[in-house]
Amino acid sequence: GAVVSQHPSWVICKSGTSVKIECRSLDFQATTMFWYRQFPKQSLMLMATSNEGSKATYEQGVEKDKFLINHASLTLSTLTVTSAHPEDSSFYICSARDSGASTEAFFGQGTRLTVV
Amino acid sequence: QKEVEQNSGPLSVPEGAIASLNCTYSDRGSQSFFWYRQYSGKSPELIMFIYSNGDKEDGRFTAQLNKASQYVSLLIRDSQPSDSATYLCAADGSSNTGKLIFGQGTTLQVKP
Repeated sequence: GAVVSQHPSWVICKSGTSVKIECRSLDFQATTMFWYRQFPKQSLMLMATSNEGSKATYEQGVEKDKFLINHASLTLSTLTVTSAHPEDSSFYICSARDSGASTEAFFGQGTRLTVV
Repeated sequence: QKEVEQNSGPLSVPEGAIASLNCTYSDRGSQSFFWYRQYSGKSPELIMFIYSNGDKEDGRFTAQLNKASQYVSLLIRDSQPSDSATYLCAADGSSNTGKLIFGQGTTLQVKP
């Protein structure tokens, strides 16, 4: 299957700082990528849809000024958690869909963010 | 609100038995349905997807879809301890964009 690489796999940061997470599709082009968040023992919740060359679409309740998404190329989307707080500590996962294929979306390995 | 519902479990089965995981969805416009397996602390990995009514088999796994009943299931034959994980059901919510709506997941425990 296609490969989606997410970096870093884990990060610890201080409250008030910003953290950037990268999501790359390694062997296919993705006009659309998705960012999910998963709290312990809960399911994945979609945060936003990242669209190459245009603004991201955020789900209800997700602050677009806090979670900045940039999708500058067909293989890279970034999520920046700005002014992080302990309640932002979570598992962040991206997924990407091959623009040339039909159905499957592939997941990155996830980023464990801990804000102290 | 578009929802995907799963019993959180845990579902416990003995090694070698058939594990049956169930999922219902609310959006009748959903076209594609996915089963993911997620080990603790890891990202979900796709087991299989289904978009036609009926059964789809892949090795020890069989996905079943009944659109009239808005019901999706996953059967795991000859369950192994390594199958112990959380199984996530997801629907595309009629968007056809790759955006998925996930259920809360069912924890499966396969006991040796």
